[in-house]
Amino acid sequence: DAGITQSPRHKVTETGTPVTLRCHQTENHRYMYWYRQDPGHGLRLIHYSYGVKDTDKGEVSDGYSVSRSKTEDFLLTLESATSSQTSVYFCATRQGPDTEAFFGQGTRLTVV
Amino acid sequence: KQEVTQIPAALSVPEGENLVLNCSFTDSAIYNLQWFRQDPGKGLTSLLLIQSSQREQTSGRLNASLDKSSGRSTLYIAASQPGDSATYLCAVRPGDQGAQKLVFGQGTRLTINP
Repeated sequence: DAGITQSPRHKVTETGTPVTLRCHQTENHRYMYWYRQDPGHGLRLIHYSYGVKDTDKGEVSDGYSVSRSKTEDFLLTLESATSSQTSVYFCATRQGPDTEAFFGQGTRLTVV
Repeated sequence: KQEVTQIPAALSVPEGENLVLNCSFTDSAIYNLQWFRQDPGKGLTSLLLIQSSQREQTSGRLNASLDKSSGRSTLYIAASQPGDSATYLCAVRPGDQGAQKLVFGQGTRLTINP
C-alpha cells in the first residue's frame, strides 16, 4: 500500500466539540481524499485535495473542512461534531487522477 | 448520476471453488474501475484497476473483466481459499471531466468455507 497512516484510529467525542483527523502519506501522491463509510450508504466522498492548498468538496461536505499545507498531510476537521457524523473515516491517496487509489486503515469516530 | 450495484450482497462457497463476483454501473462513461477487498474493521486493499480502454486485468488467482458498453465488471477468483473471505467492493471513477470521486458499490460479503 501507499504508506498511509491515519490518526487517531479510534475517537469518542462529545456533541459540539471540534475534532481533527489526520492522514499522513509517505508516497508523495498528489491526490488525497477523505471518505466516510456508513451501513446502507457505503463509502462517500467528503473532500479531496489535488495539491498543496488545493481542495474541493465531495458529495457529503457539509459540517466538514479540510486543509493541506504539505504534500504528505491532509487534515479533516469537524467544526462542531454531531451524532450524524459518527462513522468510519477513510483517507485515500493516488498519484494521478486515473491511477490506483490506496486507502488507509480508517478512523472510527463516535460522537456522543 | 452514476450508481454502482453489487449482487449478491453475500455469498458463501466451499473452499476450492472458482467464483465470480458481479459489479454493474449505470453510466458507461467511466475512466476506470477498481476492485478492493475489505476485511472486518480494516481499510480497503486494492486488488485490481482496469482502465476504460482495457478489457481485463489479472493478478495471481484474480481476474477482473470490464464491459463498459454493458456497464458490467466481474471479478473471478480461482481456487478459492478461506483467506479470501472478506467484503469485495468495486468502484468506478465517473467520466465527468474533473470528477474526482470514486463511486462505490455496497459490496459482496464473501465467505469461503473450509
